[in-house]
Amino acid sequence: EIVLTQSPGTLSLSPGERATLSCRASQSVSSTYLAWYQQKPGQAPRLLIYGASTRATGIPDRFSGSGSGTDFTLTLSRLEPEDVAVYYCQHYRRSPRTFGQGTKLEIK
Amino acid sequence: EVHLVESGGDLVQPGRSLRLSCAASGFTFDDYAMHWVRQAPGKGLEWVSGISWNSNDRGYADSVKGRFTISRDNAKNSLYLQMNSLRAEDTALYYCVKHITNYYDSSGYYDYWGQGTLVTVSS
Repeated sequence: EIVLTQSPGTLSLSPGERATLSCRASQSVSSTYLAWYQQKPGQAPRLLIYGASTRATGIPDRFSGSGSGTDFTLTLSRLEPEDVAVYYCQHYRRSPRTFGQGTKLEIK
Repeated sequence: EVHLVESGGDLVQPGRSLRLSCAASGFTFDDYAMHWVRQAPGKGLEWVSGISWNSNDRGYADSVKGRFTISRDNAKNSLYLQMNSLRAEDTALYYCVKHITNYYDSSGYYDYWGQGTLVTVSS
């Protein structure tokens, strides 16, 4: 089973700042098989990024993903209050498709 | 617009059974594999089970194997999860999730999620 470790656990930043979230895999998942999801308080998760860097439909370009192999990054530029959420990475290279434990983003 | 609406969650005693349902709309249901993903209170996401478009292939997390059964009715655009021998650790919000391909175990992500239905297992 591929284990995904996200850091930091919690990130607290001000509006307009840039957020950098990390996801590290215990073995290579290549760039093709990594997704990011956003879960706002009280809501279901929503697909943000797939293939490590491709934004899902309707996702603003403030969100960007990068990385390959075992190290991946989700970047939120110009933070807005509505970005408060827990962000999860997930690999889908093979079963079981595991999720990271999440990074909680707070806006000061 | 894609809609996934779960139902059937409830408070049940350990050892009892429960059946979850998911009504799908806004896409051609029988073109896609479907999954259940759960989230324990205050915790992260855990894949539970998946089923291919024609029900020929199904998979389960080790934590539920032998106790849960996934099924679908393409004529009714519906997904189900039969949960038997429930345990306290099964307490979670259960999400119905759409896969991007038709085979549940192919390399694909989840593009749509329902709002979830809450299962609480407690005496």
